[in-house]
Amino acid sequence: AQSVAQPEDQVNVAEGNPLTVKCTYSVSGNPYLFWYVQYPNRGLQFLLKYITGDNLVKGSYGFEAEFNKSQTSFHLKKPSALVSDSALYFCAVRVLYGGATNKLIFGTGTLLAVQP
Amino acid sequence: SQTIHQWPATLVQPVGSPLSLECTVEGTSNPNLYWYRQAAGRGLQLLFYSVGIGQISSEVPQNLSASRPQDRQFILSSKKLLLSDSGFYLCAWSVFGANEKLFFGSGTQLSVL
Repeated sequence: AQSVAQPEDQVNVAEGNPLTVKCTYSVSGNPYLFWYVQYPNRGLQFLLKYITGDNLVKGSYGFEAEFNKSQTSFHLKKPSALVSDSALYFCAVRVLYGGATNKLIFGTGTLLAVQP
Repeated sequence: SQTIHQWPATLVQPVGSPLSLECTVEGTSNPNLYWYRQAAGRGLQLLFYSVGIGQISSEVPQNLSASRPQDRQFILSSKKLLLSDSGFYLCAWSVFGANEKLFFGSGTQLSVL
């Protein structure tokens, strides 16, 4: 079955320190991978995606993610965390299903808490 | 530019009452449309998706139904709400083949009492 896993419910980091939010996936074929961010009581916002090409993908708000095929991972990173980065982060994978290729399966989310 | 509207923002309904949540998209044609539910503020579950007018695919058996009466309108309904229907409902859209990026509405917080 195609799925995505976020092993950490919560990640705590001090402001100014680097952060990593982990994601692993299981898909058949080449994966299309995404990161979204959700602020309280809001919809999700797209951060970045990996389709093909460079394994290091740069996205919004200074975030980047590294695609690692051998480890089937797509960890989200940022060199220096801000308090305003505190939010719920979702990893997602595209699932091919019928004619609708845009179906995304989301992980359970990781709450990022950045302390000042 | 494209925008997505979802309403109402919050809703409190008694058990057994009907439900209708509406979502509309502007600025694009023939979008793929989706309803997700987020329970307890965490995991997202895909409920329905639609690739065209009148075309609805259901992901999980449940007390809810969806309809797409117009190209850019997606409605989530129930005839009789259950307590377990409480959650945060998110509508989303994407353009078929355009890198699969989803655009989400601002969500509806549904409390069934």
